[in-house]
Amino acid sequence: DGGITQSPKYLFRKEGQNVTLSCEQNLNHDAMYWYRQDPGQGLRLIYYSQIVNDFQKGDIAEGYSVSREKKESFPLTVTSAQKNPTAFYLCASRVSQGSTQHFGDGTRLSIL
Amino acid sequence: GENVEQHPSTLSVQEGDSAVIKCTYSDSASNYFPWYKQELGKRPQLIIDIRSNVGEKKDQRIAVTLNKTAKHFSLHITETQPEDSAVYFCAASIGDKIIFGKGTRLHILP
Repeated sequence: DGGITQSPKYLFRKEGQNVTLSCEQNLNHDAMYWYRQDPGQGLRLIYYSQIVNDFQKGDIAEGYSVSREKKESFPLTVTSAQKNPTAFYLCASRVSQGSTQHFGDGTRLSIL
Repeated sequence: GENVEQHPSTLSVQEGDSAVIKCTYSDSASNYFPWYKQELGKRPQLIIDIRSNVGEKKDQRIAVTLNKTAKHFSLHITETQPEDSAVYFCAASIGDKIIFGKGTRLHILP
């Protein structure tokens, strides 16, 4: 799905550091999502946003924050409060409820 | 809360045989059920989906069935090929959210 761009592809975090993962889409989708993927755990929802300047917590929001200042952008910040941040992070978007969700290529976050 | 259970977690089938993956969901308001295939290190890719007003959908070797009464849906892959080896995820859409199962790792044996 070339319309969703995640960066960087790999990211390393030091202890006590906040890091921000970028997600940009040019599909004109209203809804955007962040998932965390761990081995054997499937995709777990961190945050989602249906419209600009509004977002909701998912199932594992603790230690993460987001913003939605523009329709195309939905950055995720992994704060120092997230004690086990090592995972594969996937951003997704879709037009509306009941429509297909499209994914970016993901960012792999590791601890230094 | 909403939940999607997926079985089995691992499945091995001989090349050419069929594979079946089953999912159940908890919220009867769910109305859209996509299936994704994910290869190692890559993004999930939609392979087929079904809406709650349809009982079955087929696309070449892939089919999905939905039983709303029992709240379960299944993925069927016929005439399996080596390139079918991957992790498969079911999901259920509930309002603004999509809840995923934990995935099934499918191995196609030569």
